[in-house]
Amino acid sequence: GAGVSQSPRYKVAKRGQDVALRCDPISGHVSLFWYQQALGQGPEFLTYFQNEAQLDKSGLPSDRFFAERPEGSVSTLKIQRTQQEDSAVYLCASSFAHYTDTQYFGPGTRLTVL
Amino acid sequence: KQEVTQIPAALSVPEGENLVLNCSFTDSAIYNLQWFRQDPGKGLTSLLLIQSSQREQTSGRLNASLDKSSGRSTLYIAASQPGDSATYLCAVIDAGNNRKLIWGLGTSLAVNP
Repeated sequence: GAGVSQSPRYKVAKRGQDVALRCDPISGHVSLFWYQQALGQGPEFLTYFQNEAQLDKSGLPSDRFFAERPEGSVSTLKIQRTQQEDSAVYLCASSFAHYTDTQYFGPGTRLTVL
Repeated sequence: KQEVTQIPAALSVPEGENLVLNCSFTDSAIYNLQWFRQDPGKGLTSLLLIQSSQREQTSGRLNASLDKSSGRSTLYIAASQPGDSATYLCAVIDAGNNRKLIWGLGTSLAVNP
């Protein structure tokens, strides 16, 4: 595709529900990143994939957060037993090869946990 | 620990002005510095990427400079337009935080017609 796409764009979940957020990176991009952005803050790193390998998941805030990229293209960020503090915009980005290349961002998924 | 600071937090200017946004970082051992634009509901758009070995990058009306030794970067916007209104964020990748962009909080710019 022309850019990084994310779905859904908006998600409202009741506390305790599980959610799954999808990211379609730019075709052929090797690196994929997930970020969490709270209102008025800069993005916070969650996790990084190089192809299907998750090379860094140090930013995931708890074991309720899980990300995968099984075929090295589409990625899913799953949050189990959502809490109110999980409410944020979740951004996905991809880059051509190396993690130091320009990152191209999707529009984000705004998650609201009630 | 790398910290990125952006000044000012907000800026409002009349159309046509030239303006400068500032970004500073505490650890000069960086791979690169990137400037992004964030529009509401549209995610982040990469504007310029400056490698650690470079001094500046230009794209259209935008010019970004990097002084790695002093830990500073500036984004210069020439002849500002209302369409430039957005939040501008800078981010660095440094040797101590491989793979992670370390972000500033951004400068919220309003260009008034």
